[in-house]
Amino acid sequence: RKEVEQDPGPFNVPEGATVAFNCTYSNSASQSFFWYRQDCRKEPKLLMSVYSSGNEDGRFTAQLNRASQYISLLIRDSKLSDSATYLCAVNPGSGNTGKLIFGQGTTLQVKP
Amino acid sequence: GAGVSQSPSNKVTEKGKDVELRCDPISGHTALYWYRQSLGQGLEFLIYFQGNSAPDKSGLPSDRFSAERTGGSVSTLTIQRTQQEDSAVYLCASSLVKGGALNSPLHFGNGTRLTVT
Repeated sequence: RKEVEQDPGPFNVPEGATVAFNCTYSNSASQSFFWYRQDCRKEPKLLMSVYSSGNEDGRFTAQLNRASQYISLLIRDSKLSDSATYLCAVNPGSGNTGKLIFGQGTTLQVKP
Repeated sequence: GAGVSQSPSNKVTEKGKDVELRCDPISGHTALYWYRQSLGQGLEFLIYFQGNSAPDKSGLPSDRFSAERTGGSVSTLTIQRTQQEDSAVYLCASSLVKGGALNSPLHFGNGTRLTVT
């Protein structure tokens, strides 16, 4: 089983739709969680951190479910510019390091 | 300020040759990461350096791969006797890690696109 798993998609949604992605992780000791966004042929960039209590940034909401070992990203009112690959990233937490493991990414295509 | 710099941006090499990829992290960042990304795939963790600690090499796919970080700054990823399956984009990132915790996002370079013919 991979340490971090995502449904690769693609998710094809119309503008204005709400879409959600999940990401599961295998190490229950994992400490830090993030969502990165990667545009085609570009480097990944941090979208948002995921906090235990859940957090929101504009149209984006991130949540953590420790019991079921997954994180989620919800995008409301999708824009064409949201089309990208969304990568979850997990700090495994063993040995207190900054090591970060990424999922394979979920591709989102927002259509007009 | 300057971001993470990687060189070369593109490298084409013949199967069996050795290659060296360079990464210049953001000044002051204590952690440095190498990842590999094949077409349409996610980021495959290769190696992680943190300060003066021994690097986490658990992601290196074979003993043909090695990396070093000199003086806590510039890092070089070396691939010996390259194979066609080594073709990918090699991404370097740096971040600030304090007290063993990841305190800042990873900042990625633009990557080196390696093609082994």
